Amino acid sequence: DAGVTQSPTHLIKTRGQHVTLRCSPISGHKSVSWYQQVLGQGPQFIFQYYEKEERGRGNFPDRFSARQFPNYSSELNVNALLLGDSALYLCASSLDPDRGLGDTQYFGPGTRLTVL
Amino acid sequence: KNEVEQSPQNLTAQEGEFITINCSYSVGISALHWLQQHPGGGIVSLFMLSSGKKKHGRLIATINIQEKHSSLHITASHPRDSAVYICAVFQGGSEKLVFGKGTKLTVNP
Repeated sequence: DAGVTQSPTHLIKTRGQHVTLRCSPISGHKSVSWYQQVLGQGPQFIFQYYEKEERGRGNFPDRFSARQFPNYSSELNVNALLLGDSALYLCASSLDPDRGLGDTQYFGPGTRLTVL
Repeated sequence: KNEVEQSPQNLTAQEGEFITINCSYSVGISALHWLQQHPGGGIVSLFMLSSGKKKHGRLIATINIQEKHSSLHITASHPRDSAVYICAVFQGGSEKLVFGKGTKLTVNP
């Protein structure tokens, strides 16, 4: 079975542009989470979606938005890009966050975004 | 102060050495992950534990809920173990994973 896939793998944008990142979860997984990892830091939680609804949101500005589709794939959108948005964006999928004891998350390879 | 603290930040070892990486957290948790991140970004989940100890091959993870502390041990380390090891916790009652900054391990032949 394919793991979590993300596209694109690398992306270069300029300040003020917007970007859309895509994630396909493992087959059968209904939850997708997005994380931002700035160089040298641990990942920071951005969003979690489950059954197409937002379940959690981290401390990110409204320029960041996401959605989940009926096939459980997800998009992360970032508007009005800033230099500080340059990071590795990771997607993780899991079966069902209501299973308790922390639902195991499986990570994709990430999309490396560079904002010039 | 970060909710999840790891030590050391950087660790260099010789092949064959026993490695310990520590994680302390300040929040109530439902579970703790140990993750491995290789250069280029891919993250692999090594363990998820909520009590006691787990072992997989040369890797051992322990957690002490009362002390809010977990350790990851690598026995007979090998250069291919070189990676960043990240501790992450599920906060109790939250869907959110909170990550430590990671420990960069380099194992020299």
